[in-house]
Amino acid sequence: KAGVTQTPRYLIKTRGQQVTLSCSPISGHRSVSWYQQTPGQGLQFLFEYFSETQRNKGNFPGRFSGRQFSNSRSEMNVSTLELGDSALYLCASSLAGVAYEQYFGPGTRLTVT
Amino acid sequence: KQEVTQIPAALSVPEGENLVLNCSFTDSAIYNLQWFRQDPGKGLTSLLLIQSSQREQTSGRLNASLDKSSGRSTLYIAASQPGDSATYLCAVRNTGNQFYFGTGTSLTVIP
Repeated sequence: KAGVTQTPRYLIKTRGQQVTLSCSPISGHRSVSWYQQTPGQGLQFLFEYFSETQRNKGNFPGRFSGRQFSNSRSEMNVSTLELGDSALYLCASSLAGVAYEQYFGPGTRLTVT
Repeated sequence: KQEVTQIPAALSVPEGENLVLNCSFTDSAIYNLQWFRQDPGKGLTSLLLIQSSQREQTSGRLNASLDKSSGRSTLYIAASQPGDSATYLCAVRNTGNQFYFGTGTSLTVIP
């Protein structure tokens, strides 16, 4: 069974631009969560989608948004990029409800210059 | 707000030693707690998931325990190997359905 895949793996953008990251969950998994990892703040929860609906949201500004498609694939968008958005963005999938284990993808390394 | 702390931040042990990593959390209203390892520049690998109703979980040389009332979990690694060198993270899922990660413990196993 294929794991969680994320594309692209590396990305360099300029301040003010926007970016879209993609995540394909493990087949059969309906929940996708997104996280931001930085050396200073560690791993922080962005949001979770389940059956195309945002189920939960962390404490990030509205520039960070996401969506989930009917095939459970998810995208995350960051608009008006800032230097502080440089981070490793990780996506995780799980089968369904809150009791299930999360499986992580390799991440997308975003650098904002 | 849930706060998750891991102590120590870094640990260095000789190969073959048994070791314990600690994770503490401030809000005991959790669904579950999950332990991960992260290798440099890579994503997270799930090690063990403990539901709030469970006391411990075992997988191979790993054993994780959970004491929800005191807000603590430990990850025990038996007979450590150089391949165990990585950063270990714990994460809790609150009943509010948010995830909170600990700060991590960087483990080095010296051959």
